[in-house]
Amino acid sequence: GEDVEQSLFLSVREGDSSVINCTYTDSSSTYLYWYKQEPGAGLQLLTYIFSNMDMKQDQRLTVLLNKKDKHLSLRIADTQTGDSAIYFCAETPADYGGSQGNLIFGKGTKLSVKP
Amino acid sequence: DAGITQSPRYKITETGRQVTLMCHQTWSHSYMFWYRQDLGHGLRLIYYSAAADITDKGEVPDGYVVSRSKTENFPLTLESATRSQTSVYFCASSAFSSGILEDTQYFGPGTRLTVL
Repeated sequence: GEDVEQSLFLSVREGDSSVINCTYTDSSSTYLYWYKQEPGAGLQLLTYIFSNMDMKQDQRLTVLLNKKDKHLSLRIADTQTGDSAIYFCAETPADYGGSQGNLIFGKGTKLSVKP
Repeated sequence: DAGITQSPRYKITETGRQVTLMCHQTWSHSYMFWYRQDLGHGLRLIYYSAAADITDKGEVPDGYVVSRSKTENFPLTLESATRSQTSVYFCASSAFSSGILEDTQYFGPGTRLTVL
């Protein structure tokens, strides 16, 4: 079946903006999420966007949603070395084989921030 | 402590042995999940549970067994470990209520399992 797709790597310089892109599979997904995984740790919810929104801003984070193209992006302004991590986008398809509550994850984008 | 915990954090075992990974959450979340994380595959769902005594297969269930006799615990057992089961295993829980924020998942810290 279709996968949630993300580019695997992104490298930026400290202070620059980072943009991580994701293409998801189900246009009827209610919520779309961004999770952050720091080295040796589990995933933590970073932010989310409801499907009837186009944009959500939360301090340095901006989430953009293009439902027509099923495209989700995460922009991190003024990227810091502490932002180095793997970022996963995830969706909650309306019908994932009947298993409601499941999240479908992308493979993750490893963000490296260089001083 | 409140939250979701996993034990052990690290485990080395041999091919053919039985291994059980533990997961405990203190939120009384109805849903619990087991994922494995491998390079090149991202996170793949092994099993999930919608409530006590209700479990169902995910994307990669073969070689694994789960049980959920209590809401707060969701152990994952590898009945006869194989090298291909070397991975990092994450447990997650969710309150899930259709279409509401509570359906986000909260993850444990992971168990790194090596099968020799």
